Amino acid sequence: QKEVEQNSGPLSVPEGAIASLNCTYSDRGSQSFFWYRQYSGKSPELIMFIYSNGDKEDGRFTAQLNKASQYVSLLIRDSQPSDSATYLCAVLGPNTDKLIFGTGTRLQVFP
Amino acid sequence: GAGVSQSPSNKVTEKGKDVELRCDPISGHTALYWYRQSLGQGLEFLIYFQGNSAPDKSGLPSDRFSAERTGGSVSTLTIQRTQQEDSAVYLCASSLVVGQIGGEPQHFGDGTRLSIL
Repeated sequence: QKEVEQNSGPLSVPEGAIASLNCTYSDRGSQSFFWYRQYSGKSPELIMFIYSNGDKEDGRFTAQLNKASQYVSLLIRDSQPSDSATYLCAVLGPNTDKLIFGTGTRLQVFP
Repeated sequence: GAGVSQSPSNKVTEKGKDVELRCDPISGHTALYWYRQSLGQGLEFLIYFQGNSAPDKSGLPSDRFSAERTGGSVSTLTIQRTQQEDSAVYLCASSLVVGQIGGEPQHFGDGTRLSIL
């Protein structure tokens, strides 16, 4: 079992819809969770981070964390074609100082 | 500088040559990380630094890979006797501190695209 798992996609949604990206992790003691966006040929860009159970909203983005079920998700409201990218989930474990990345979900938003 | 700076942005070299990649972190960031990303793959952790020391070198693929950081700032990743499988994008990231409760976000540079002929 991979430490951090994501569906590779592509996830295709129409412009204006809600895109839902999911990530599961194996280490129950993980404490910090991050979402990065990576455009093709570019480096990852931090979108959001979340530490506590529940929802965290920032503009059109909402991160959701459920530690009991060991999943973290990212919702993108009013999706735009410019949101088309690969979204990487990253997890910081309890006894480590390094982030473990998932392989990413490719999102396609079509007009 | 304003962000993490990496150089060169592209490097093409022949198999067997040594290469040196440079990373200049965000000013004041004590933690520095190196990752590798092969085409279409996720990020592979290589090594991280807290100040000038490297507590975790577990991700280095072989003894041909080494890294150092001096003055708590610039870091260099050296690959000796390069092989074709070393071709990838090498990304550097920095954060304010390492780990900690809450986990400081890491900010990435634009990477060095390494191609081994």
